Amino acid sequence: GAGVSQSPSNKVTEKGKDVELRCDPISGHTALYWYRQSLGQGLEFLIYFQGNSAPDKSGLPSDRFSAERTGGSVSTLTIQRTQQEDSAVYLCASSLRTGNEQYFGPGTRLTVT
Amino acid sequence: KQEVTQIPAALSVPEGENLVLNCSFTDSAIYNLQWFRQDPGKGLTSLLLIQSSQREQTSGRLNASLDKSSGRSTLYIAASQPGDSATYLCAVRFTGGGNKLTFGTGTQLKVEL
Repeated sequence: GAGVSQSPSNKVTEKGKDVELRCDPISGHTALYWYRQSLGQGLEFLIYFQGNSAPDKSGLPSDRFSAERTGGSVSTLTIQRTQQEDSAVYLCASSLRTGNEQYFGPGTRLTVT
Repeated sequence: KQEVTQIPAALSVPEGENLVLNCSFTDSAIYNLQWFRQDPGKGLTSLLLIQSSQREQTSGRLNASLDKSSGRSTLYIAASQPGDSATYLCAVRFTGGGNKLTFGTGTQLKVEL
């Protein structure tokens, strides 16, 4: 079956602009996670959804970052007023239920110029 | 602080060699541990998931072990092939750490002809 998909695969934006990153989890997976991978920082957790609720937003680096999930499926990560330090690969993962094996998408490479 | 460490950061071996990748974690209270591989410019591929109650998991030429009391996991790759060249990441879900995975910084493996 289809895996986790993310769009766009690459995004170049100017500093100060807003961006939206999309994640389509595996069908039927109730848990969805966003991570960020940047040089020198490794892979960092951002936010986790169970259904449409986000019980853990502890990894969001600032209030410029927000995410939502609708219909228990698609999720959007929004970064407002982008900064150069936001440049990274943003990875989405889903799991059948909380605590199960996480399956990752190919990521969105964000470059802020 | 709950942390995951992987040593070495890079490893180069000749084709056919058996090898071991190491992962250590600072808190033995874990829910599970997952090993991933990442190819350049790609997302993460899940290799093995070990629950806290398990000692090891096997998939083909891969065998992962878990020793919670010493805070260690190893990934054993038998009869390495050039196609095994990738970065291998260890990730831990800590009990009480929410549902997020905490990642090590990875071991970059190169298998040479």
